[in-house]
Amino acid sequence: GAVVSQHPSRVICKSGTSVKIECRSLDFQATTMFWYRQFPKQSLMLMATSNEGSKATYEQGVEKDKFLINHASLTLSTLTVTSAHPEDSSFYICSARTRQGPSNQPQHFGDGTRLSIL
Amino acid sequence: EDQVTQSPEALRLQEGESSSLNCSYTVSGLRGLFWYRQDPGKGPEFLFTLYSAGEEKEKERLKATLTKKESFLHITAPKPEDSATYLCAVQAESGGYNKLIFGAGTRLAVHP
Repeated sequence: GAVVSQHPSRVICKSGTSVKIECRSLDFQATTMFWYRQFPKQSLMLMATSNEGSKATYEQGVEKDKFLINHASLTLSTLTVTSAHPEDSSFYICSARTRQGPSNQPQHFGDGTRLSIL
Repeated sequence: EDQVTQSPEALRLQEGESSSLNCSYTVSGLRGLFWYRQDPGKGPEFLFTLYSAGEEKEKERLKATLTKKESFLHITAPKPEDSATYLCAVQAESGGYNKLIFGAGTRLAVHP
């Protein structure tokens, strides 16, 4: 149980392109999903928290107009990197937490998306 | 400020050589401490949740323990397939939407 699917796993595109990444909870409903960014040999940096049916909450320093988040249902959140540039190249990972039970249950992670902007 | 520090940064073990990974934390009200395993190019895989000091959890060769200031991940008789980065994360009362604060991880390499 608690499977999170992230798609695509890898994207290579030209500078200026917008890229959409999907995060789905396959066997549970997730009121809250999280988006992280990870640089090589570094830990996960939270970018934003996504709540179903409401606006995402962005961490300090993360541009909300650059990283658009939509959480349209209890099983799907999307991250769109708008007008991507080489400095946006990174490993993006989503996670989800079940809506059942207390809020201090574990987050379950997707397998990440490797974004490379040329 | 809530902080999570993991040590060592990297650890090299021979197969069968038991050891422990440390996760020290300073948070205002711990709501949970989580251990994850991350393989290269993959997302973190959930291992354990610990909620209160004195609690212990076990899974195969791994055992996690928790005190009021730190957590240990004990690895007994490790095998090469245990090689990965082990991440510790805490959820604090002060965190909005119950977000996790991650440590930098310990890169474990187990050699046959």
